[in-house]
Amino acid sequence: GAVVSQHPSWVICKSGTSVKIECRSLDFQATTMFWYRQFPKQSLMLMATSNEGSKATYEQGVEKDKFLINHASLTLSTLTVTSAHPEDSSFYICSASLAGVNSPLHFGNGTRLTVT
Amino acid sequence: SQQGEEDPQALSIQEGENATMNCSYKTSINNLQWYRQNSGRGLVHLILIRSNEREKHSGRLRVTLDTSKKSSSLLITASRAADTASYFCATDRGYQKVTFGTGTKLQVIP
Repeated sequence: GAVVSQHPSWVICKSGTSVKIECRSLDFQATTMFWYRQFPKQSLMLMATSNEGSKATYEQGVEKDKFLINHASLTLSTLTVTSAHPEDSSFYICSASLAGVNSPLHFGNGTRLTVT
Repeated sequence: SQQGEEDPQALSIQEGENATMNCSYKTSINNLQWYRQNSGRGLVHLILIRSNEREKHSGRLRVTLDTSKKSSSLLITASRAADTASYFCATDRGYQKVTFGTGTKLQVIP
């Protein structure tokens, strides 16, 4: 149980285009999902908290107009990287949790974005 | 900002040996979690220890938590080649908004 599916697993796009990444909780409902970014050989940096039915909460230094997050249902959150640039190339990972305090996070397998 | 720092950054051991990784953090927490990441993949939850717990076991994993020292350790006993991965600690200060440590890259040599 508690499976999170992330799609696509990798994507290559040209500078200036937008890319959408989907994160789905397959067998549970997630009112909150989280989006992270991971640079090579580094840790995960929380980008934003995605809340179903309301606006996402972005971490300091993350451009909300650059990284659009939509959480339209209890099982789907999307991250759209708008007007992508080569510096946006990274590994993006989402996570979701079953409700409740002291519950672990369940992660998608990540999306490798390469902007050329 | 990253709250947790882990050491060592990298660890190489022979199969069958034990591996110990340490994590330090700076603020009060609700719980501390350990995750494993295989190269280019998402994270897999290993174990969660609450702030009022001192030790927890799960199979070959043993986690300790010392809130007075703001530190935790993960012990993997009788390591296997399949344990080769990066291991991250993550601190939860509330609302499941965890902060990840810098990670330990473990290599288990067959």
